[in-house]
Amino acid sequence: ETGVTQSPTHLIKTRGQQVTLRCSSQSGHNTVSWYQQALGQGPQFIFQYYREEENGRGNFPPRFSGLQFPNYSSELDVNALELDDSALYLCASSLGDRASGGYTFGSGTRLTVV
Amino acid sequence: KNQVEQSPQSLIILEGKNCTLQCNYTVSPFSNLRWYKQDTGRGPVSLTIMTFSENTKSNGRYTATLDADTKQSSLHITASQLSDSASYICVVSRYNAGNMLTFGGGTRLMVKP
Repeated sequence: ETGVTQSPTHLIKTRGQQVTLRCSSQSGHNTVSWYQQALGQGPQFIFQYYREEENGRGNFPPRFSGLQFPNYSSELDVNALELDDSALYLCASSLGDRASGGYTFGSGTRLTVV
Repeated sequence: KNQVEQSPQSLIILEGKNCTLQCNYTVSPFSNLRWYKQDTGRGPVSLTIMTFSENTKSNGRYTATLDADTKQSSLHITASQLSDSASYICVVSRYNAGNMLTFGGGTRLMVKP
């Protein structure tokens, strides 16, 4: 059974650029959720995809978007990067669209915007 | 407003000692509460998960308690080890579709020899 894999592990981008982060879900899981974790803070929910459709979104602007593929892997896209977007981006996979199951987190992508 | 507050923000203890971390939440409607351990720069790893009807749950040296009436939870660590040094995050989920895990800010624990 494979866990959650995120790529890349580290990334440096310039303000105004666009970035795509990737996540492979754990085998058997069909739901992926994304979180932003600023240094020294708890993660903040960005959005969730269940069976290729977004079914929940946190308080993030539209320049944060994503999608989920038929194999349940997912991408997070951020346009027009701002300095405050610098954070650890975490992906978690789970089974089902309810919050009752277990979540498996990846190790995250560390994004630095300069 | 759905919030999760943790205390203390940081804690230093000596190896072998016990400690208790606190979590208060206002998330509603409540589905379950989880405690995660997060090493620096890594993803969170689940320690315990409790539903409304569960008062306590253990995972080795970790014991979590839940009082759904007062909306409080605690995580007790016994006989601490150097490897327990990490952030401990309390996470509460709402009972509705679309997830909405609400994370606390975490307690940063440092265990010293």
